Amino acid sequence: AQTVTQSQPEMSVQEAETVTLSCTYDTSESDYYLFWYKQPPSRQMTLVIRQEAYKQQNATENRFSVNFQKAAKSFSLKISDSQLGDAAMYFCAYRSVGGGSEKLVFGKGTKLTVNP
Amino acid sequence: KAGVTQTPRYLIKTRGQQVTLSCSPISGHRSVSWYQQTPGQGLQFLFEYFSETQRNKGNFPGRFSGRQFSNSRSEMNVSTLELGDSALYLCASSPRDLLVEKLFFGSGTQLSVL
Repeated sequence: AQTVTQSQPEMSVQEAETVTLSCTYDTSESDYYLFWYKQPPSRQMTLVIRQEAYKQQNATENRFSVNFQKAAKSFSLKISDSQLGDAAMYFCAYRSVGGGSEKLVFGKGTKLTVNP
Repeated sequence: KAGVTQTPRYLIKTRGQQVTLSCSPISGHRSVSWYQQTPGQGLQFLFEYFSETQRNKGNFPGRFSGRQFSNSRSEMNVSTLELGDSALYLCASSPRDLLVEKLFFGSGTQLSVL
């Protein structure tokens, strides 16, 4: 079974600085999707960024970018120019492709605090 | 466009009771999935429905069931509630295929079992 590990339960960053959240996963599959989701105190989860495993180029979305290392099974999220609104729980997630078992597997999350 | 709506927002039940949670997806979305979120276990996938058919199911006991109606609205039922069922239950919808489309989440139903 696939597992997703986020080794940093909590992280903090100064406003306008850069922070990197770590995520590793375990799978024997070669094709899959990886995601970072954000959950603020309002509980409304939103997608931050998505990476397709067969694409070597790292995904970017404005201030958010990932460092995808397929061989190392690592998928870290970098937030540049951190803003107060970035404070939230961040979840890394994995989803396999095909095979009838395409459920989403989440890590335990990293709580990000942004200090003014 | 209205977002994903989950009702009720909060629910208090006692052990042994049953509960039904409701999820209305974004208009036009046909895929609905459910997740349980607890401090200890984190986010866990419950099940996914597409066009009224259950496509995937997580590792939960048979007390957890769901269904999807022809208008894509979905309900989740938990029978014989246990204290450990206390959790935030999140619903998400997507237009077609859960795999390639981004998920849109509701704000969840907070269930407390006493």
